[in-house]
Amino acid sequence: GEDVEQSLFLSVREGDSSVINCTYTDSSSTYLYWYKQEPGAGLQLLTYIFSNMDMKQDQRLTVLLNKKDKHLSLRIADTQTGDSAIYFCAEKEGANNLFFGTGTRLTVIP
Amino acid sequence: GAVVSQHPSRVICKSGTSVKIECRSLDFQATTMFWYRQFPKQSLMLMATSNEGSKATYEQGVEKDKFLINHASLTLSTLTVTSAHPEDSSFYICSARFSSQYEQYFGPGTRLTVT
Repeated sequence: GEDVEQSLFLSVREGDSSVINCTYTDSSSTYLYWYKQEPGAGLQLLTYIFSNMDMKQDQRLTVLLNKKDKHLSLRIADTQTGDSAIYFCAEKEGANNLFFGTGTRLTVIP
Repeated sequence: GAVVSQHPSRVICKSGTSVKIECRSLDFQATTMFWYRQFPKQSLMLMATSNEGSKATYEQGVEKDKFLINHASLTLSTLTVTSAHPEDSSFYICSARFSSQYEQYFGPGTRLTVT
């Protein structure tokens, strides 16, 4: 079955860039997503990338996709304390369900 | 963007009782709704997928007689935890989508505590 892996923790200083990494095994993935979960809340879709794209930028967020290595990353520029949350990557093949990574807890140090 | 609500946001119940959680798509018609369970510090685990008007499809290991799902309309799905036990305590999150070509939108979650 699908396997989506992330490192569990990341700490950065306010103002620095954060890079959250994700690896997946399903080469048939058509969409890859990044979600943000704040404490006690549901998931907020941050951004997504179609599998035929290498990069997508949306304001402070940059998504890089290396399809050959099945590696996805999310870069947050000028990280703020409000960015502290858990970030999940997820992949989907066609009309199938989402498969979530283990989540990375980002802590922003003031 | 599309909004999905859940009710209640938090519920505490006694062991042996049943609890119903509602998931509503507020500004779109959801042909498919999903129910997830999230344990502390863990990822989301898909429990079941429901399409409006048909029986839910449960993931392996999820007891369908314990977690009853009803998707009676295009804007409402309910999850009933029957005869709840402390091990059912968890964070339950629903999501909804208009069709397979569209995004899934997540509700804010329901924290269930069984005492």
